[in-house]
Amino acid sequence: QVQLVQSEAEVKKPGASLKVSCMTSGYRFVAHSIHWVRLAPRDGPEWMGMIDPDSGDINYSQKFQGRLSLTRDTSTNTVFLHLSGLTVDDTAMYYCARFRGHYGPFDSWGQGTLVTVSS
Amino acid sequence: QSSLAQPASVSGSLGQSVTIPCTGSYNDVGNYDLVSWYQQSPGKAPKLIIFDVIERPSGVSLRFSGSKSANTASLTISGLQADDEALYFCCSYTGSRTSYWVFGGGTQLTVL
Repeated sequence: QVQLVQSEAEVKKPGASLKVSCMTSGYRFVAHSIHWVRLAPRDGPEWMGMIDPDSGDINYSQKFQGRLSLTRDTSTNTVFLHLSGLTVDDTAMYYCARFRGHYGPFDSWGQGTLVTVSS
Repeated sequence: QSSLAQPASVSGSLGQSVTIPCTGSYNDVGNYDLVSWYQQSPGKAPKLIIFDVIERPSGVSLRFSGSKSANTASLTISGLQADDEALYFCCSYTGSRTSYWVFGGGTQLTVL
């Protein structure tokens, strides 16, 4: 079955960088783009960006331009999120989600990675 | 602040029906039939329950249905069961390079 398994929770200091992994299995990795969505304590879900594992094409939400980088490793079927310049406002649960087709939806989700940014 | 508006909470009694609205604008909900709904129980990953406004994925109960009128999409849950108690959030495509996808803030459903 389709599985997306994310890396463990992280605690970071303001100004630090974050790396979260999303290892996929149970389907053809290059056939589906992977998107990242975060849920902050006070806000609703927020779309961050996406990567096409086949072409490597990337789209980022304008809000994260300049400090978000998405990469993939086709040998391990894994997608990585890198977020730099962390602030306390980046404290959230981060999810990777598989995208179905050209216009979605997000049909399978990782279990989430809790990121806490605190001095 | 979320781009799509949802009530923070709704409640209903066992066996009743509830409807959760998701209000956007012409730039998202109103212009695209690409609204999806997700159910999230505590400590679990979100689960897709409705896509393309009205479609149900295989395995999702017929008690869940979606609709749309103008800039508002809605999720209706009929015959409420105890395990329907969860957070529900909507999502819409926007076509905007600022952010291609926007979400609602989420609605906590309490089953009385």
